[in-house]
Amino acid sequence: DVKVTQSSRYLVKRTGEKVFLECVQDMDHENMFWYRQDPGLGLRLIYFSYDVKMKEKGDIPEGYSVSREKKERFSLILESASTNQTSMYLCASSLKGYEQYFGPGTRLTVT
Amino acid sequence: DQQVKQNSPSLSVQEGRISILNCDYTNSMFDYFLWYKKYPAEGPTFLISISSIKDKNEDGRFTVFLNKSAKHLSLHIVPSQPGDSAVYFCAASDRSGGGADGLTFGKGTHLIIQP
Repeated sequence: DVKVTQSSRYLVKRTGEKVFLECVQDMDHENMFWYRQDPGLGLRLIYFSYDVKMKEKGDIPEGYSVSREKKERFSLILESASTNQTSMYLCASSLKGYEQYFGPGTRLTVT
Repeated sequence: DQQVKQNSPSLSVQEGRISILNCDYTNSMFDYFLWYKKYPAEGPTFLISISSIKDKNEDGRFTVFLNKSAKHLSLHIVPSQPGDSAVYFCAASDRSGGGADGLTFGKGTHLIIQP
């Protein structure tokens, strides 16, 4: 079974803080993704990576950056958290051309 | 511009009957379509997919139909069970470009199975 784990299920941060969200997958997948889910907006792609040290912007990259130093790990970084970044963050991984497998999500609240 | 549309925010179906969830897309480059199911406070779970070279794919109680000319796909669940109550997301991908395949998601349909 594919396993995608995320470092925290719930996180509360203050405005202006730097926030790190970690994601690890155990299936040797090339591709990894970060999405955010908001009510009425579905899932929106923030960034993705198709190889170590490679990254591509998704639909809503503003205010975020990512890091992929190892194949199994993909980190999402909020350089200076803002209240409009309060959301559910979902990490996913896949083999190229196949379905994505999601982690359990991190509910981030920025106050 | 919304490339994947799920026009029904919610759908209520009686237990044992058929649930039909619909999805429309606008990008003709999409060649792979997926359905995900999501419970509250959990990540989406992959359900079923279909390639654009097919018009139907079946897996147990779940069948996905694709009408390329209409740019429309549907998910049929039969018979519907209480555990099927969840939010269902339609997603699409263009796999022709190489590299990773980010999915474009619809906004979801909340399926409620009534006892």
